[in-house]
Amino acid sequence: LAKTTQPISMDSYEGQEVNITCSHNNIATNDYITWYQQFPSQGPRFIIQGYKTKVTNEVASLFIPADRKSSTLSLPRVSLSDTAVYYCLVRNTNAGKSTFGDGTTLTVKP
Amino acid sequence: GAGVSQSPSNKVTEKGKDVELRCDPISGHTALYWYRQSLGQGLEFLIYFQGNSAPDKSGLPSDRFSAERTGGSVSTLTIQRTQQEDSAVYLCASSTSGGAWYETQYFGPGTRLLVL
Repeated sequence: LAKTTQPISMDSYEGQEVNITCSHNNIATNDYITWYQQFPSQGPRFIIQGYKTKVTNEVASLFIPADRKSSTLSLPRVSLSDTAVYYCLVRNTNAGKSTFGDGTTLTVKP
Repeated sequence: GAGVSQSPSNKVTEKGKDVELRCDPISGHTALYWYRQSLGQGLEFLIYFQGNSAPDKSGLPSDRFSAERTGGSVSTLTIQRTQQEDSAVYLCASSTSGGAWYETQYFGPGTRLLVL
């Protein structure tokens, strides 16, 4: 399984763009990358996912370089309600196994 | 429609007792996952079901842990002879088929287990 590494914590201010990078150096060909958000006492919630290059949806963008050894979640113009733990997940589509990182605690300040 | 549900939401048990945790996936989802999250920690993958079968059980932390899924729907995670280190939040997730790269895992609220 690909091991993932994320920063333990990040601070930001309302209105700023936040970029959280996840390292997955031994990612395999069949692995794809998903990011989840988790609030206290809740299960993780899907944010965005991709295999390579750039993916954008209504809440975030995901940048994956050509070597796929890392991925960066970009949250535009964060608000206080974006304070949460963000997890990078590498998943092998053939096996169903999922390796979550330890998560990045994002704190958005007024 | 209803999301993933788990029961009980909280469970307090004594060391050495057996516990059963239940997961009801989203209707029609054939893939089901169990994770464990210890206090302040990330998610630890336990087991994955494709239909009623579990292709890989290597994530289960010990032989005290077992899981089954019947009828391609409800799953039960059983912990025998619980230990204090089993205390954690046990999360269940489901996805449509488990084999497509674009699938999203939908998580339940978790069962908070405390072993005294």
